[in-house]
Amino acid sequence: TQLLEQSPQFLSIQEGENLTVYCNSSSVFSSLQWYRQEPGEGPVLLVTVVTGGEVKKLKRLTFQFGDARKDSSLHITAAQPGDTGLYLCAGGKSNYQLIWGAGTKLIIKP
Amino acid sequence: ETGVTQSPTHLIKTRGQQVTLRCSSQSGHNTVSWYQQALGQGPQFIFQYYREEENGRGNFPPRFSGLQFPNYSSELNVNALELDDSALYLCASSSGIAGSYEQYFGPGTRLTVT
Repeated sequence: TQLLEQSPQFLSIQEGENLTVYCNSSSVFSSLQWYRQEPGEGPVLLVTVVTGGEVKKLKRLTFQFGDARKDSSLHITAAQPGDTGLYLCAGGKSNYQLIWGAGTKLIIKP
Repeated sequence: ETGVTQSPTHLIKTRGQQVTLRCSSQSGHNTVSWYQQALGQGPQFIFQYYREEENGRGNFPPRFSGLQFPNYSSELNVNALELDDSALYLCASSSGIAGSYEQYFGPGTRLTVT
């Protein structure tokens, strides 16, 4: 059972457009991590947010953790073909476990 | 600095067989977590090893077992393979328990059970 719901599941847009990916839960998490995974590879950590309301920026990517620490969003400005990949969110639930969303498959067309 | 490595990269087994997957953690990391990722899904936590002891376990049956060695490398063993065990198996290492420390993933082992 997935406790983290990601939306949309799939997104295909043109280069230069903006997009937002959402990660929602009814549970509170101690931290929220975003990863990007490319075919044939393991996920690569992009960012960790730990404080409710926290906003972090990584070049054209903006990550936000909800005030109640139950949800998060990833906003990409002026998407580029190199942003193509599977974006996964994972919530810290205990001392050892991360709860993962099913991912958003993003395709940026040149 | 060597990253996380996994072997083999691909494996085909028959239902009922047993399989062992291997993971070498990143230098300086003492914690290894194993995940199963089915096609089109996010990773599902199998278990975590911290300093050679199992530190936590997800909702997987006992036929999924593991080991961590003194050099912090790890093995995942799956007995009595079932068709639904076909998936990408990922290992991740960290310098502490996974909920609190950043994890670094290997490329995974693609297991196909026929």
